[in-house]
Amino acid sequence: AQKITQTQPGMFVQEKEAVTLDCTYDTSDPSYGLFWYKQPSSGEMIFLIYQGSYDQQNATEGRYSLNFQKARKSANLVISASQLGDSAMYFCAMREGAGNQFYFGTGTSLTVIP
Amino acid sequence: DTGVSQDPRHKITKRGQNVTFRCDPISEHNRLYWYRQTLGQGPEFLTYFQNEAQLEKSRLLSDRFSAERPKGSFSTLEIQRTEQGDSAMYLCASSKWLRTSTDTQYFGPGTRLTVL
Repeated sequence: AQKITQTQPGMFVQEKEAVTLDCTYDTSDPSYGLFWYKQPSSGEMIFLIYQGSYDQQNATEGRYSLNFQKARKSANLVISASQLGDSAMYFCAMREGAGNQFYFGTGTSLTVIP
Repeated sequence: DTGVSQDPRHKITKRGQNVTFRCDPISEHNRLYWYRQTLGQGPEFLTYFQNEAQLEKSRLLSDRFSAERPKGSFSTLEIQRTEQGDSAMYLCASSKWLRTSTDTQYFGPGTRLTVL
């Protein structure tokens, strides 16, 4: 089974609107971390936001927030007030317990329309 | 604050040649990771170091691949006898691991390898 599933290959959003990128995960370990990264066309992976499995509140970082629904095993990224510079690939990733590797999803391509 | 750097950014080689990539992590980071990313996919874990010790290697890492981190600072990834299937983006990441940290990985710009 896939550890991380991103079901939206491509998404479009109007500039200044909010958009939600979906991510579901699969683990039996009670301790894990969830991460979102942005990859522009230049190729560099840029860390956006982190959510720990024991965190009581949803993580927020500026215009990014993580909608963490533990029972559903989902960790959706919400980008508010989209900007043209948000156009990129977005990857959800998970680290299980004290494990040392990240499992990445296949990514979602976001295009912001002026 | 200097981020993770990788060299070269692009490498074109002929099948059968050897190539070596270098990664310089963020200076206070004790963990260093190598990933491979092909078109349309997320990064796939290859190997990682804690300080100078290579602690884990993926099944993806064939005998033709070797990685070193001799002094616990920069790392090199060598591919011997390259094949066309080795064409990919090779990403390096580093993190500052502490028992209580999130162990967030910060990535370099990658080295894009093309094997002709």
